[in-house]
Amino acid sequence: GENVEQHPSTLSVQEGDSAVIKCTYSDSASNYFPWYKQELGKRPQLIIDIRSNVGEKKDQRIAVTLNKTAKHFSLHITETQPEDSAVYFCAASNAELTGGGNKLTFGTGTQLKVEL
Amino acid sequence: DAGITQSPRHKVTETGTPVTLRCHQTENHRYMYWYRQDPGHGLRLIHYSYGVKDTDKGEVSDGYSVSRSKTEDFLLTLESATSSQTSVYFCAISESGRSNTEAFFGQGTRLTVV
Repeated sequence: GENVEQHPSTLSVQEGDSAVIKCTYSDSASNYFPWYKQELGKRPQLIIDIRSNVGEKKDQRIAVTLNKTAKHFSLHITETQPEDSAVYFCAASNAELTGGGNKLTFGTGTQLKVEL
Repeated sequence: DAGITQSPRHKVTETGTPVTLRCHQTENHRYMYWYRQDPGHGLRLIHYSYGVKDTDKGEVSDGYSVSRSKTEDFLLTLESATSSQTSVYFCAISESGRSNTEAFFGQGTRLTVV
Protein backbone atom coordinates (compact mmCIF):
# COMPACT_ATOMS: atom_id res chain seq x y z
CA GLY A 1 0.00 0.00 0.00
CA GLU A 2 0.87 3.66 -0.09
CA ASN A 3 3.35 5.13 2.38
CA VAL A 4 3.70 8.88 2.90
CA GLU A 5 6.62 10.41 4.76
CA GLN A 6 6.56 14.01 5.96
CA HIS A 7 9.32 16.32 7.14
CA PRO A 8 10.04 18.16 9.31
CA SER A 9 7.94 17.10 12.29
CA THR A 10 8.26 20.58 13.82
CA LEU A 11 9.02 23.89 12.17
CA SER A 12 9.47 27.26 13.81
CA VAL A 13 9.66 30.45 11.72
CA GLN A 14 9.55 34.14 12.35
CA GLU A 15 6.47 36.05 11.27
CA GLY A 16 6.83 37.12 7.66
CA ASP A 17 9.25 34.34 6.77
CA SER A 18 8.43 31.44 4.45
CA ALA A 19 7.76 27.87 5.56
CA VAL A 20 8.27 24.71 3.51
CA ILE A 21 6.98 21.25 4.38
CA LYS A 22 7.98 18.25 2.29
CA CYS A 23 6.37 14.88 1.67
CA THR A 24 7.35 11.81 -0.28
CA TYR A 25 5.07 8.99 -1.38
CA SER A 26 5.79 5.44 -2.45
CA ASP A 27 2.98 4.45 -4.84
CA SER A 28 3.50 5.86 -8.32
CA ALA A 29 -0.21 5.30 -9.02
CA SER A 30 -1.24 7.98 -6.50
CA ASN A 31 -2.64 10.98 -8.33
CA TYR A 32 -4.21 13.26 -5.73
CA PHE A 33 -2.26 15.11 -3.06
CA PRO A 34 -4.16 17.27 -0.56
CA TRP A 35 -2.83 19.30 2.34
CA TYR A 36 -4.81 19.66 5.54
CA LYS A 37 -4.44 22.17 8.35
CA GLN A 38 -5.47 21.22 11.85
CA GLU A 39 -5.68 23.75 14.64
CA LEU A 40 -5.49 22.55 18.21
CA GLY A 41 -8.60 20.60 19.16
CA LYS A 42 -10.21 21.10 15.76
CA ARG A 43 -10.92 18.99 12.71
CA PRO A 44 -8.48 18.76 9.77
CA GLN A 45 -9.46 21.15 6.99
CA LEU A 46 -8.33 21.12 3.39
CA ILE A 47 -6.21 24.13 2.47
CA ILE A 48 -4.96 23.17 -0.98
CA ASP A 49 -4.69 20.11 -3.20
CA ILE A 50 -2.94 19.14 -6.40
CA ARG A 51 -3.53 16.45 -8.98
CA SER A 52 -0.83 14.56 -10.81
CA ASN A 53 -1.43 16.32 -14.12
CA VAL A 54 -0.32 19.62 -12.58
CA GLY A 55 3.15 20.55 -11.35
CA GLU A 56 2.28 23.56 -9.23
CA LYS A 57 -0.76 25.23 -7.75
CA LYS A 58 -1.05 28.47 -5.85
CA ASP A 59 -3.71 30.05 -3.69
CA GLN A 60 -2.74 33.44 -2.24
CA ARG A 61 0.08 32.78 0.25
CA ILE A 62 -0.05 29.01 -0.14
CA ALA A 63 1.45 26.96 -2.96
CA VAL A 64 2.02 23.27 -3.56
CA THR A 65 4.53 21.72 -5.94
CA LEU A 66 4.59 18.15 -7.21
CA ASN A 67 7.47 16.18 -8.69
CA LYS A 68 6.01 12.93 -10.00
CA THR A 69 9.34 11.55 -11.11
CA ALA A 70 10.84 11.90 -7.66
CA LYS A 71 7.51 11.15 -5.96
CA HIS A 72 7.58 14.13 -3.68
CA PHE A 73 5.42 17.17 -3.11
CA SER A 74 5.83 20.26 -0.97
CA LEU A 75 3.74 22.92 0.73
CA HIS A 76 5.02 26.48 0.64
CA ILE A 77 3.61 29.21 2.87
CA THR A 78 4.88 32.73 2.26
CA GLU A 79 4.62 35.76 4.54
CA THR A 80 3.70 33.59 7.49
CA GLN A 81 1.35 34.95 10.13
CA PRO A 82 0.63 33.81 13.70
CA GLU A 83 -2.68 32.33 12.54
CA ASP A 84 -0.73 29.95 10.31
CA SER A 85 0.43 28.17 13.47
CA ALA A 86 -1.11 24.68 13.34
CA VAL A 87 -0.36 21.09 12.40
CA TYR A 88 -0.19 20.45 8.67
CA PHE A 89 -0.76 17.04 7.11
CA CYS A 90 0.01 15.91 3.59
CA ALA A 91 -1.83 12.97 2.07
CA ALA A 92 -2.01 10.89 -1.09
CA SER A 93 -4.68 8.81 -2.80
CA ASN A 94 -5.99 7.47 -6.10
CA ALA A 95 -9.75 7.21 -6.50
CA GLU A 96 -9.56 5.22 -9.73
CA LEU A 97 -7.66 2.40 -8.06
CA THR A 98 -10.11 2.15 -5.19
CA GLY A 99 -13.39 2.29 -7.08
CA GLY A 100 -13.96 5.91 -6.33
CA GLY A 101 -13.96 7.70 -3.04
CA ASN A 102 -10.97 9.29 -1.42
CA LYS A 103 -9.07 6.85 0.77
CA LEU A 104 -6.29 9.04 2.01
CA THR A 105 -2.89 7.94 3.29
CA PHE A 106 -1.56 10.69 5.54
CA GLY A 107 1.87 11.82 6.53
CA THR A 108 2.65 12.10 10.22
CA GLY A 109 2.17 15.86 10.38
CA THR A 110 4.26 19.02 10.84
CA GLN A 111 3.75 21.33 13.81
CA LEU A 112 4.30 24.83 12.44
CA LYS A 113 4.88 27.63 14.90
CA VAL A 114 5.01 31.19 13.69
CA GLU A 115 6.75 33.40 16.22
CA LEU A 116 6.23 37.12 16.57
CA ASP B 1 -18.76 23.52 6.94
CA ALA B 2 -20.03 20.25 5.57
CA GLY B 3 -22.85 18.76 7.59
CA ILE B 4 -21.08 16.07 9.58
CA THR B 5 -21.84 15.36 13.21
CA GLN B 6 -20.00 12.88 15.39
CA SER B 7 -21.34 11.57 18.66
CA PRO B 8 -20.36 11.37 21.36
CA ARG B 9 -17.63 14.02 21.35
CA HIS B 10 -15.92 12.54 24.40
CA LYS B 11 -16.15 9.13 25.98
CA VAL B 12 -14.37 7.26 28.72
CA THR B 13 -14.91 3.52 28.81
CA GLU B 14 -13.47 0.49 30.52
CA THR B 15 -11.29 -2.15 28.94
CA GLY B 16 -13.32 -4.99 27.50
CA THR B 17 -16.54 -3.09 26.96
CA PRO B 18 -18.08 -2.51 23.53
CA VAL B 19 -18.24 1.05 22.27
CA THR B 20 -20.10 2.54 19.31
CA LEU B 21 -19.29 5.88 17.73
CA ARG B 22 -21.73 7.51 15.37
CA CYS B 23 -21.16 9.67 12.32
CA HIS B 24 -24.14 11.45 10.79
CA GLN B 25 -24.06 13.47 7.55
CA THR B 26 -26.62 15.70 5.89
CA GLU B 27 -24.73 16.07 2.58
CA ASN B 28 -25.94 12.84 0.94
CA HIS B 29 -22.33 11.98 0.08
CA ARG B 30 -21.72 8.44 -1.06
CA TYR B 31 -18.43 7.80 0.72
CA MET B 32 -17.82 7.79 4.46
CA TYR B 33 -14.63 7.00 6.38
CA TRP B 34 -13.39 6.43 9.89
CA TYR B 35 -9.86 7.51 10.80
CA ARG B 36 -7.99 7.46 14.06
CA GLN B 37 -5.43 10.08 14.99
CA ASP B 38 -2.50 9.33 17.25
CA PRO B 39 0.67 11.32 17.98
CA GLY B 40 3.44 10.36 15.60
CA HIS B 41 1.09 8.51 13.25
CA GLY B 42 -1.03 11.18 11.66
CA LEU B 43 -4.46 9.93 10.62
CA ARG B 44 -4.92 6.29 9.71
CA LEU B 45 -7.89 4.79 7.92
CA ILE B 46 -9.85 2.22 9.93
CA HIS B 47 -12.80 1.40 7.66
CA TYR B 48 -14.67 3.10 4.87
CA SER B 49 -18.02 2.80 3.12
CA TYR B 50 -18.86 3.28 -0.53
CA GLY B 51 -22.61 2.94 -0.12
CA VAL B 52 -25.35 1.57 2.07
CA LYS B 53 -24.24 -1.82 3.40
CA ASP B 54 -21.02 -1.58 1.39
CA THR B 55 -17.95 -1.32 3.58
CA ASP B 56 -14.30 -2.30 3.43
CA LYS B 57 -11.27 -2.41 5.68
CA GLY B 58 -8.62 0.23 5.93
CA GLU B 59 -5.08 0.18 7.23
CA VAL B 60 -5.85 -0.42 10.93
CA SER B 61 -9.12 -2.34 11.03
CA ASP B 62 -8.32 -5.02 13.64
CA GLY B 63 -10.64 -4.73 16.64
CA TYR B 64 -13.12 -2.51 14.82
CA SER B 65 -16.31 -3.13 12.87
CA VAL B 66 -18.59 -0.76 10.99
CA SER B 67 -22.12 -0.62 9.69
CA ARG B 68 -23.98 1.62 7.30
CA SER B 69 -27.70 0.94 7.11
CA LYS B 70 -28.58 4.42 5.85
CA THR B 71 -26.76 6.87 3.59
CA GLU B 72 -26.50 9.40 6.39
CA ASP B 73 -25.15 7.21 9.20
CA PHE B 74 -21.87 5.34 9.59
CA LEU B 75 -21.24 3.55 12.87
CA LEU B 76 -17.88 2.45 14.23
CA THR B 77 -17.90 -0.28 16.88
CA LEU B 78 -15.03 -1.31 19.10
CA GLU B 79 -16.03 -4.85 19.88
CA SER B 80 -14.00 -5.09 23.10
CA ALA B 81 -12.18 -1.85 23.85
CA THR B 82 -8.48 -1.97 24.69
CA SER B 83 -6.13 0.73 25.95
CA SER B 84 -4.43 0.79 22.54
CA GLN B 85 -7.68 2.09 21.11
CA THR B 86 -7.47 5.26 23.15
CA SER B 87 -7.37 7.84 20.39
CA VAL B 88 -9.18 10.64 18.62
CA TYR B 89 -11.54 9.28 15.99
CA PHE B 90 -12.53 11.30 12.95
CA CYS B 91 -15.29 10.59 10.50
CA ALA B 92 -14.99 11.97 6.97
CA ILE B 93 -17.21 12.11 3.89
CA SER B 94 -16.63 12.68 0.19
CA GLU B 95 -18.69 12.73 -2.96
CA SER B 96 -18.52 10.07 -5.63
CA GLY B 97 -16.64 10.39 -8.87
CA ARG B 98 -13.61 9.06 -10.66
CA SER B 99 -11.63 12.13 -9.73
CA ASN B 100 -10.78 12.52 -6.09
CA THR B 101 -13.02 14.98 -4.34
CA GLU B 102 -12.44 16.80 -1.09
CA ALA B 103 -12.81 14.79 2.09
CA PHE B 104 -14.63 16.72 4.82
CA PHE B 105 -13.98 15.78 8.43
CA GLY B 106 -16.22 15.74 11.46
CA GLN B 107 -15.26 17.38 14.77
CA GLY B 108 -13.76 14.21 16.18
CA THR B 109 -14.49 11.93 19.13
CA ARG B 110 -11.95 11.65 21.91
CA LEU B 111 -12.10 8.11 23.30
CA THR B 112 -10.26 7.06 26.43
CA VAL B 113 -10.12 3.38 27.39
CA VAL B 114 -9.15 2.84 31.04
